[in-house]
Amino acid sequence: EVQLVESGGNLVQPGGSLKLSCAASGLTFSDSALHWVRQASGKGLEWIGHIRSKANSYATEYTESLRGRFTISRDDSKNTAYLQMNSLKTEDTAVYYCTRHRPPTVALDCWGQGTLVTVSS
Amino acid sequence: QSVLTQPPSASGTPGQSVSIPCSGSSSNIGTNTVNWYQQLPGTAPKLLIYSNNQRPSGVPDRFSGSKSGTSASLTISGLRSGDEADYYCAAWDDSMRGYVFGTGTKVTVL
Repeated sequence: EVQLVESGGNLVQPGGSLKLSCAASGLTFSDSALHWVRQASGKGLEWIGHIRSKANSYATEYTESLRGRFTISRDDSKNTAYLQMNSLKTEDTAVYYCTRHRPPTVALDCWGQGTLVTVSS
Repeated sequence: QSVLTQPPSASGTPGQSVSIPCSGSSSNIGTNTVNWYQQLPGTAPKLLIYSNNQRPSGVPDRFSGSKSGTSASLTISGLRSGDEADYYCAAWDDSMRGYVFGTGTKVTVL
């Protein structure tokens, strides 16, 4: 069974940091580009960024508004991707999803169940 | 602030067809393929249509997609109560160097 499982969501104070993990199974992780997408309560989907495969030099791209605060990384030996979030703001409160695509089509064909991040004092 | 625009809601009675438009620009839909995602209440999104009009395995042929110029459309035929969900279009944007989602459309079956 193809599966992505996020973990690490928590309550954090404004200005704090948090690192989310995304563990993959049942799929060819090393060939996949891994994305993070978030969704605030009652709102739409927001793309955070992605990290490409080793064949594509592990290149990363981010939505402009989050560049510099959020960092995506991966460990292919552990079939795991990560999202490091720094200087968190209340508006970062959302469910964070891990998802992936296999080139060449940028279609997100597998999604995790999501993990809730709450930024509040 | 989404760069792909969708109507906030659409509705129909069981058995009817409903179409959801998605408007973009030359840097996203005009250049790249469009994907559609279905998000049932309380669940993660699911890929519904990829490469403008292709269905992943397991998606009924009641769901179809099309693209013309800088716009795309998702059509649900033979509407069922189980189709009540939020639907999002999405595409890669060459100018923003990122993936962009539509504003989302909530489909209600009357």
